[in-house]
Amino acid sequence: KAGVTQTPRYLIKTRGQQVTLSCSPISGHRSVSWYQQTPGQGLQFLFEYFSETQRNKGNFPGRFSGRQFSNSRSEMNVSTLELGDSALYLCASSTGDLGYEQFFGPGTRLTVL
Amino acid sequence: AQSVTQLGSHVSVSEGALVLLRCNYSSSVPPYLFWYVQYPNQGLQLLLKYTSAATLVKGINGFEAEFKKSETSFHLTKPSAHMSDAAEYFCAVSAGNNRKLIWGLGTSLAVNP
Repeated sequence: KAGVTQTPRYLIKTRGQQVTLSCSPISGHRSVSWYQQTPGQGLQFLFEYFSETQRNKGNFPGRFSGRQFSNSRSEMNVSTLELGDSALYLCASSTGDLGYEQFFGPGTRLTVL
Repeated sequence: AQSVTQLGSHVSVSEGALVLLRCNYSSSVPPYLFWYVQYPNQGLQLLLKYTSAATLVKGINGFEAEFKKSETSFHLTKPSAHMSDAAEYFCAVSAGNNRKLIWGLGTSLAVNP
């Protein structure tokens, strides 16, 4: 079974631009979660999509948005980029069942200049 | 609400020594508990999980963890550290109907020769 894939792996943007990150979950998984990881902040939960609906949401501003398609692939969009948005963005897929683990992709490293 | 505390943001051990990474959780209902490992520039990988089947859980790479309800702990151990164990370790909890994983801030493990 193929793992979780994320594209692109690395991205450099400037302040004010917008960016779209993509995540393809493991086949059969209907839940996709997004996290922001920065040094010292640990994993910050952005949101979770399950069967095309946002099921959980973290405490991020509205500049951060996401969606999920019928094939469970998910995209995350960040508009009006700020320097503080520089981070590793991780996508995790799961069946969505209670107690089921999440499987992580390798992440997208976003640098905002 | 659930919470996770990882005691010690940095732990250093000698090769061959016991590894002990501490995790305490808070939950008003029976929790599901997870340990993940993250190697540099990679996503997170599941080490082991507790889902109430057995209090002593064995995972990959020789790691194990014991669920102690009275102490609300789920500490991760490995009898003999290897250089390849140097990584970041994360503890996470989910409970109740909320399928969101709550994450600790992580513990960086260094293994000295």
